[in-house]
Parts: sequence; C-alpha cells; structure tokens
Amino acid sequence: EAQVTQNPRYLITVTGKKLTVTCSQNMNHEYMSWYRQDPGLGLRQIYYSMNVEVTDKGDVPEGYKVSRKEKRNFPLILESPSPNQTSLYFCASYASSEAFFGQGTRLTVV
Amino acid sequence: AQTVTQSQPEMSVQEAETVTLSCTYDTSENNYYLFWYKQPPSRQMILVIRQEAYKQQNATENRFSVNFQKAAKSFSLKISDSQLGDTAMYFCAFMKQFYSGTASKLTFGTGTRLQVTL
Repeated sequence: EAQVTQNPRYLITVTGKKLTVTCSQNMNHEYMSWYRQDPGLGLRQIYYSMNVEVTDKGDVPEGYKVSRKEKRNFPLILESPSPNQTSLYFCASYASSEAFFGQGTRLTVV
Repeated sequence: AQTVTQSQPEMSVQEAETVTLSCTYDTSENNYYLFWYKQPPSRQMILVIRQEAYKQQNATENRFSVNFQKAAKSFSLKISDSQLGDTAMYFCAFMKQFYSGTASKLTFGTGTRLQVTL
C-alpha cells in the first residue's frame, strides 16, 4: 500500500529543545516536501527535496532544517523551536501528477 | 508565482442539498493540475478530485464534480446530495506539471470550512 508515514502525530515541547519529525515514503518518489498549516493561511511549503542530498527552501524555511540521506526518508528538524512554530505539519511525497500526504503532526511549542 | 484564492471561509448546506465551493487561481503555466482536498476533523488530507489543465472535460468523482474554466482561471467544486460526512475543511490547490529532476509544489488556497446540517 502506498504510504507516507509521519511521526509523531502529536508533540508538545519547550522553547529551544531540539526536535525531529520523521517522514518516510514507500513509493520510491524522488520529490518530497514539508508544509505547515495555520488557520487562515492554508498550507505553506517549508522545504522540499528533489532527490537524495538535494534540498531547497520553500516559502517559509526560517527556523527549520531538513536532510535527505536516503530516498525514502525526509526528516524535518527544529533545532531551537519557538512558540511561533506551533502548527500542524505535513510531509508530502509526489508522483508526477499527485501528492501523497502523511497523517500530520500537531506541534505545540510552549 | 502561482496564487490560489478561496473567497468563502465558511459555508453551510443542508443534508441532501447541493453546494458549490469557489476557487480561482493565477498562473502563467500551461501544463498544470488542480486539486480539491478534503480535511476532516482527523486532519488527514484526502484527495477529492483532480483536474488536468489540458483536459477540457470537467472531472467527476461520484457526488463531486468540478467546473473548470481555464480562460477564467476558475475551478469550483460542486458537492451533490451532501452528506454529514462531507463536513470538513476543503482546500483548492495548484501544481504545475513536473518531471524527474525538476521541482514543483502544491500551492494551496486558505480553505473553505463546510458544515453539512440536518
């Protein structure tokens, strides 16, 4: 079954404590990306990756890092989270005409 | 850059009735896709319907259909025979066609919250 697996589903953390949200896909897709969803703003792209070791900034990259060491995995790293990064996060993996989404991660930074 | 506009933040419809959600977009691309995603309270992003820009025929999926007006850059979603389970946030999205080694992204509207009532 085609799948994008994101973990954790929920996370509460404190300001400044490094965290990683994992994302894994089983479809051998080259292209993956991260989005954040905020009320009234829709989903905005944070970072994307066109293949292993190839990543680039999206529309709202400040405060985030990513890595793509393997094709299937694309973790999102917050090295020093701040309250304005409280949001709903989605990982997506792309075929040429469709995106597949993970289940979402609700992050709260206090 | 592409933009997607959903001008109806909230809508309500009675069960079994028909409702239309509006979406307009702006792009200079010729080859692209348009999507409607449903996001229920579970927060999952569920693809409702997809339209290829090169196809003139409007896409349909059971009770869901679109009115795609390429020249007007309009892409509305019609839900027929609305059901309680249709209650959700609906996002319109644009993606230019891409190929191996190139980049694209989904550009989303701000969403329309649909409430289906008895």
